[in-house]
Amino acid sequence: DARVTQTPRDKVTEMGQEVTMRCQPILGHNTVFWYRQTMMQGLELLAYFRNRAPLDDSGMPKDRFSAEMPDATLATLKIQPSEPRDSAVYFCASAPAGVETQYFGPGTRLLVL
Amino acid sequence: DAKTTQPPSMDCAEGRAANLPCNHSTISGNEYVYWYRQIHSQGPQYIIHGLKNNETNEMASLIITEDRKSSTLILPHATLRDTAVYYCIVRVVGTNAGKSTFGDGTTLTVKP
Repeated sequence: DARVTQTPRDKVTEMGQEVTMRCQPILGHNTVFWYRQTMMQGLELLAYFRNRAPLDDSGMPKDRFSAEMPDATLATLKIQPSEPRDSAVYFCASAPAGVETQYFGPGTRLLVL
Repeated sequence: DAKTTQPPSMDCAEGRAANLPCNHSTISGNEYVYWYRQIHSQGPQYIIHGLKNNETNEMASLIITEDRKSSTLILPHATLRDTAVYYCIVRVVGTNAGKSTFGDGTTLTVKP
């Protein structure tokens, strides 16, 4: 049963620290999405990649967030420096080529103190 | 991508059919209707999608009106495990328009 995996599942850090979240998309999927979910804002799209190339990162705060796909099996989302308002659940999702059905990972729960 | 409107919450008795409506009056001809659900503290889960014909799979049925301005997700025999937030989104398939606006969804509570 192929699944999207995310690490870490939970992260507590102090303001100003760097945070790196990792996602392993389903093998063969060529589109990867990063979402952030909070009670106030709901599920927001931060960025997405197709064939490892960034297509849209307009939802991401540019000064502190960065997203990359070093290879087809790994996507990363970094926050540097982190702030308390970044506290949220971050979801990664992947989709196969030509299909828009997204398969979500379990999320990374981030708490910035 | 077109926006959707859903009721904020609904209740359903266990074993009965749950009918969740979604309005997408500005949908374009090449936009599909997708349904996802999110059970508490888990990632959203794909349920079903369709363009204009009604669709059915092992999880649910999707009824799309002839003018495609609204749709209904049907869970034929709701169980307590179907309690979740249900999201209706519309999006073009196979393009670079990757944004998915999930909105607030409908919180379905299945009661014993």
